[in-house]
Amino acid sequence: AQTVTQSQPEMSVQEAETVTLSCTYDTSENNYYLFWYKQPPSRQMILVIRQEAYKQQNATENRFSVNFQKAAKSFSLKISDSQLGDTAMYFCAFMDSGGGADGLTFGKGTHLIIQP
Amino acid sequence: DSGVTQTPKHLITATGQRVTLRCSPRSGDLSVYWYQQSLDQGLQFLIQYYNGEERAKGNILERFSAQQFPDLHSELNLSSLELGDSALYFCASSDGTLVGNTIYFGEGSWLTVV
Repeated sequence: AQTVTQSQPEMSVQEAETVTLSCTYDTSENNYYLFWYKQPPSRQMILVIRQEAYKQQNATENRFSVNFQKAAKSFSLKISDSQLGDTAMYFCAFMDSGGGADGLTFGKGTHLIIQP
Repeated sequence: DSGVTQTPKHLITATGQRVTLRCSPRSGDLSVYWYQQSLDQGLQFLIQYYNGEERAKGNILERFSAQQFPDLHSELNLSSLELGDSALYFCASSDGTLVGNTIYFGEGSWLTVV
């Protein structure tokens, strides 16, 4: 079974700063999909960004970008110009190429706090 | 708004009871997933249905069951409830026709067992 590890339980940065959240995963698959989800205090799970393992180009969505290092099995999320509304739990998730016999496998999450 | 609708949003029930959580997927989505989020276990995949058929099973207890109906809505049935079943239960949906399609989550159903 795949595992996803987020080594930073909590991070705190000042508004407008750039912050990077770490995620590593373990799999024997060559093709798979990686996601970052945001869970604000409302508890809604919101997709932030998605990466396909066979694509070498790192995904970008506005202020959010990833650094995907396939050989290192690393998938970090960078948030630029952080805003107060970015305060949330962030979950890294993995789905295998078979559509996910385990669905999405999530990490434990990183609680990101943006300070004014 | 993800387009995935879950009811009820909050539910308080006693140990030993049975509850049913309901989910309507996004329009056009054929796959429905159920996840449990608890403090100690994190986010865990329970079960997936695709177009009415069970497609994948995760860490779902035998006391729990689910089904997807012809209109594609899904229900998660939790029986003989225990205190440890208190959690946020998410339903999610995706197109299901392509591997790796984005999975969209509902707002969750808060279950408190007392």
